[in-house]
Amino acid sequence: DGGITQSPKYLFRKEGQNVTLSCEQNLNHDAMYWYRQDPGQGLRLIYYSQIVNDFQKGDIAEGYSVSREKKESFPLTVTSAQKNPTAFYLCASSIVIWSLRGVNNQPQHFGDGTRLSIL
Amino acid sequence: AQSVTQLDSHVSVSEGTPVLLRCNYSSSYSPSLFWYVQHPNKGLQLLLKYTSAATLVKGINGFEAEFKKSETSFHLTKPSAHMSDAAEYFCVVSDETSYDKVIFGPGTSLSVIP
Repeated sequence: DGGITQSPKYLFRKEGQNVTLSCEQNLNHDAMYWYRQDPGQGLRLIYYSQIVNDFQKGDIAEGYSVSREKKESFPLTVTSAQKNPTAFYLCASSIVIWSLRGVNNQPQHFGDGTRLSIL
Repeated sequence: AQSVTQLDSHVSVSEGTPVLLRCNYSSSYSPSLFWYVQHPNKGLQLLLKYTSAATLVKGINGFEAEFKKSETSFHLTKPSAHMSDAAEYFCVVSDETSYDKVIFGPGTSLSVIP
C-alpha cells in the first residue's frame, strides 16, 4: 500500500534540544511539505520541496530546518531556536505537473502526524 | 492574493439530517479548490476537488460541493449525516498566481448528534 509514514507519533523535547521528525513516502511524488497545526487553527506551511536537493521556506520557517537528499524522505528538524514548538506536525506529498505557466497544484496526501510536546 | 474563509467554526447536526459547510474564496485567477477531512489525531484526507471541469463535484462518503464563481463559494454538502462524519473539515484554494502553495481555511468542526 502506498502512503506517507510519519514517525514518531509522539515526541518530547527538552530545553535546548534539537529533535528530528521523520517523513517517508512511497507514492513516487516529487513534492513534499511540512505543516504545523495548532489547536483550533488551520495548517501553516513550514517548508516545502518540489525536487530533490531543493526546498523553500514557507510562512513559518524560523526555528526549523529540512533536507531533501532522497525523493522519498523529507525530515524536519525542530531546533532550539523554535521557542514554542508544541504542536501537531503534518507531512504531505503531491505530484507536480509543470506547465508553461509553472507548477499546477495537485491534491496533497498526508501522513498521520507527529505530536511534539515540551518536557 | 488568494484567501479562503470558512464561515462557521463549528456546525452541529442531527444524524440523518443534511450537512452544509460553507466556504468562500478569493482568487484573482481560475482557482483549484479542495475539501479535506481530518479525524482526531490523524492526517487530512481528500474529500473532493474542483479544477475547472464540472461545477458540481462529487467526492467520497456521499459528500459533494458546488463551485459558484459569481458567489466565490465552494460549499460542501451531504444529504444525510452519519456519526462517522464528525470531524474537522478544511477548505483549500490554490490558483495560477501561487503555483507552489495552497491556502488552507481555518477549518469547520462538524458534530453529529445521535
